[in-house]
Amino acid sequence: EVQLVESGGTLVQPGRSLRLSCTVSGFTFDDYLMSWVRQVPGKGLEWVGFVRGNNYGGTTEYAASVKDRFTISRDDSKSIVYLHMNSLQTEDTGIYYCTRGVQRSCTSATCYWDSWGQGAQVTVSS
Amino acid sequence: DMQMTQSPSTLSASVGDRITITCRASQHISTWLAWYQQKPGKAPKVLIYKASSLESGVPSRFSGSGSGTEFTLTISSLQPDDFATYYCQQYSSRSGTFGQGTKVESK
Repeated sequence: EVQLVESGGTLVQPGRSLRLSCTVSGFTFDDYLMSWVRQVPGKGLEWVGFVRGNNYGGTTEYAASVKDRFTISRDDSKSIVYLHMNSLQTEDTGIYYCTRGVQRSCTSATCYWDSWGQGAQVTVSS
Repeated sequence: DMQMTQSPSTLSASVGDRITITCRASQHISTWLAWYQQKPGKAPKVLIYKASSLESGVPSRFSGSGSGTEFTLTISSLQPDDFATYYCQQYSSRSGTFGQGTKVESK
């Protein structure tokens, strides 16, 4: 069974950093694009960034709103994907979902998300 | 930037009704479109990908159509479990933009 479990969500002050983890089971990363999507009240669903599978170069892409502040990394030995968030702003508040895309079903640009974690709440407030 | 516009924002319907939700893309996206269902407190779940392909395990009362810039999600006979919010998502451009959502509520 495919499972994605996020952890690390919490209340954090503006300007601080936070790391979210996504522990996966039931599949290996090599053929999957792993992504983070956030849901912001009043703004809907927004793609944050992704890391391609090893068989597709393992490269990363980010949304303009988080580029240079957020970084996605992966520990294949532990089956964990990380979202490192720096210089957090109040507008980064939301539920952060770890999602999976089947690389062979993706376009050259991005993917649709066939599996989702339960989400991690991140609140940025002083 | 690519924009995805859904209509209506809210749809009131009864069990057994046939309902249709529309999603319009601001640019041509071929058939690179997915539909998701989200219930309160839960993550979205994919229903349709590539505009009209039914995800495994999704009931056949759900169907999708369209290409280019206009797409529809149809539920042929609304069931009690289908009251939820529905989102479209394009995956033609890197932003992978979602629509703003359509809430299907009980009339």
